[in-house]
Amino acid sequence: SAVISQKPSRDICQRGTSLTIQCQVDSQVTMMFWYRQQPGQSLTLIATANQGSEATYESGFVIDKFPISRPNLTFSTLTVSNMSPEDSSIYLCSASPGGSYNEQFFGPGTRLTVL
Amino acid sequence: AQSVAQPEDQVNVAEGNPLTVKCTYSVSGNPYLFWYVQYPNRGLQFLLKYITGDNLVKGSYGFEAEFNKSQTSFHLKKPSALVSDSALYFCAVRDIGTNAGKSTFGDGTTLTVKP
Repeated sequence: SAVISQKPSRDICQRGTSLTIQCQVDSQVTMMFWYRQQPGQSLTLIATANQGSEATYESGFVIDKFPISRPNLTFSTLTVSNMSPEDSSIYLCSASPGGSYNEQFFGPGTRLTVL
Repeated sequence: AQSVAQPEDQVNVAEGNPLTVKCTYSVSGNPYLFWYVQYPNRGLQFLLKYITGDNLVKGSYGFEAEFNKSQTSFHLKKPSALVSDSALYFCAVRDIGTNAGKSTFGDGTTLTVKP
C-alpha cells in the first residue's frame, strides 16, 4: 500500500494567477498520475509523470497550462497556470507502488476555487 | 481503446438487503479490473481487484465482485448493506498492453443505503 499526501488541501485563487500542488508518496514509485475531478463526477486524467522523463499529457491538457515536475521517485508537483474559473475543480494525485498491474492509491485531493 | 460503463447513476437499497453495483468493460487485451470507493469529501480508496484466477474476488468491508468474461462484466456485490456503505463507487480498468498502465474510470455510481 501507499500513503499519499497533498498540499494544499484547498485554495481560493484569483484569475490569472498560478498554483502549485505538491504530492508526496511514502514509498518509491515509477509512475505518478494527476487527475481532475468535479465533485460527484468521474476522474479525468491530466498527465502521467515518470521520474527522469517528461510528463505525458492527455488530450486537452498541455504542458504550458499544467507543468509537472517529478524530481525523484516519491514526489511530484502540478502547477495550474494562468487560472480561470473553469479550472475550479478537485485535483488528485495518484500512484501504483505495486506496478501497472495493481491498484492505485490516491491523495486526499486539492480543492481549487478560482474567482 | 478501453472503456468502462456503469449503467446506473444511483443505486438505493435498504440496510440489510443485498446490493449490486454494475460495471461492464471493453479492452483489447487482458482486463485488469478494479473497484474504488469515495466517501464524501475524501479521496478514492481501493476496494478490490481482478487480475487473474478465481472469477469471484473478495475485498475490503465485505465487498466482493464477480468477473464474467463472456458478459464483459465486473459487478460489485455485498450480501448485506450497511448505512455506512453509502458512497460513490467507481469501476476502473487498466489495459497494460496498449495503454501504458493508465486507468480508465467509469462515471461512478452513488450508492445510498437507507436504514
